[in-house]
Amino acid sequence: DTGVSQNPRHKITKRGQNVTFRCDPISEHNRLYWYRQTLGQGPEFLTYFQNEAQLEKSRLLSDRFSAERPKGSFSTLEIQRTEQGDSAMYLCASSVGQDNSPLHFGNGTRLTVT
Amino acid sequence: DQQVKQNSPSLSVQEGRISILNCDYTNSMFDYFLWYKKYPAEGPTFLISISSIKDKNEDGRFTVFLNKSAKHLSLHIVPSQPGDSAVYFCAPMRALGAGNKLTFGGGTRVLVKP
Repeated sequence: DTGVSQNPRHKITKRGQNVTFRCDPISEHNRLYWYRQTLGQGPEFLTYFQNEAQLEKSRLLSDRFSAERPKGSFSTLEIQRTEQGDSAMYLCASSVGQDNSPLHFGNGTRLTVT
Repeated sequence: DQQVKQNSPSLSVQEGRISILNCDYTNSMFDYFLWYKKYPAEGPTFLISISSIKDKNEDGRFTVFLNKSAKHLSLHIVPSQPGDSAVYFCAPMRALGAGNKLTFGGGTRVLVKP
């Protein structure tokens, strides 16, 4: 079990640029989640996938955000035309597709928009 | 609308004593309750959970209590150890038909003094 892997660990970008993050879940986990955490707050749900299907998106996920999981394995989260308010820790988690199974989180990608 | 509240942002306790962390929620649809622990620069790590049909679950030094009528749960750590110093998140889950989505509280920072 290599755990959930996220890349890059840190990303600094200028306002208006596009960024893409990658998440590799634990193998055999068919559910994959994206969360965002800002300083002093708990993580907030953004979206989740069951295999390759995106089943739910939070209203926090504006039109500038898009997530994909094309083959039901790794996932990418893209933010277009970044804004300073997008600065946060972006966390990915995965779980087996059973009710009540806990989510296993990666170490996150910290985004700083200057 | 804050569905999950952890009203104590921080807690300081002497090594060997008990740490008690509290969590209140408003959504009666939550059917599973998890606690996560987070160290700096790492993702949240699953600690312990309890089903909505139970009122207590114990795992070593960690015990979680659930009072459904009061929509309140607590995490007891006894005896507290310096390695327990971290941020703890209460994270209820809607499991049945809702994809195991977690809703996090704001966290409680615990400092265990040697």
